[in-house]
Amino acid sequence: GAVVSQHPSRVICKSGTSVKIECRSLDFQATTMFWYRQFPKQSLMLMATSNEGSKATYEQGVEKDKFLINHASLTLSTLTVTSAHPEDSSFYICSAGPTDTQYFGPGTRLTVL
Amino acid sequence: GENVEQHPSTLSVQEGDSAVIKCTYSDSASNYFPWYKQELGKRPQLIIDIRSNVGEKKDQRIAVTLNKTAKHFSLHITETQPEDSAVYFCAASGGGSYIPTFGRGTSLIVHP
Repeated sequence: GAVVSQHPSRVICKSGTSVKIECRSLDFQATTMFWYRQFPKQSLMLMATSNEGSKATYEQGVEKDKFLINHASLTLSTLTVTSAHPEDSSFYICSAGPTDTQYFGPGTRLTVL
Repeated sequence: GENVEQHPSTLSVQEGDSAVIKCTYSDSASNYFPWYKQELGKRPQLIIDIRSNVGEKKDQRIAVTLNKTAKHFSLHITETQPEDSAVYFCAASGGGSYIPTFGRGTSLIVHP
């Protein structure tokens, strides 16, 4: 299957700081990538669809000014959590695929103190 | 939009038994149905998928069946092993959108 990487795997930051998470497709080009948030023992919650060369599409209830998404190339999408607060602590995970089959990155565990 | 229901939320079986997880979907235009396995703290991994032009697909101990008329699909795991213990998610997509809609997940516990 296709390979998706994500960096960093873990980040601990102080409240008020911004955190950038990178999602890369390693062996295919992705015009679309998806960003999810997952709480313990819960399903994947789609946050936004990242579109190469255009604005991301955010799901209802997701603050676009809080979660900035940039898809500057066909292999890289970034999610920036701005002015992070403890309630933003979660597991963030991206997915992408050369077709409709989605492959997930390893996820980023964000802890905001 | 699409709505995917998944049952049961928890499934406990003895090693060697079979396990069945069921999902229903609402959008008749959906045509792609993947299943993912997620171990604790790790990424969801695609384990099998099926498209709407096929009724059943097998891969060793894993099989997926699809009933388009009833709009439901199921994951079957035979001869379960402790390493099958994980959370399993079903998903549905299609009808012009690649955006998958996920079920709420099933926590499968296989007791040795």
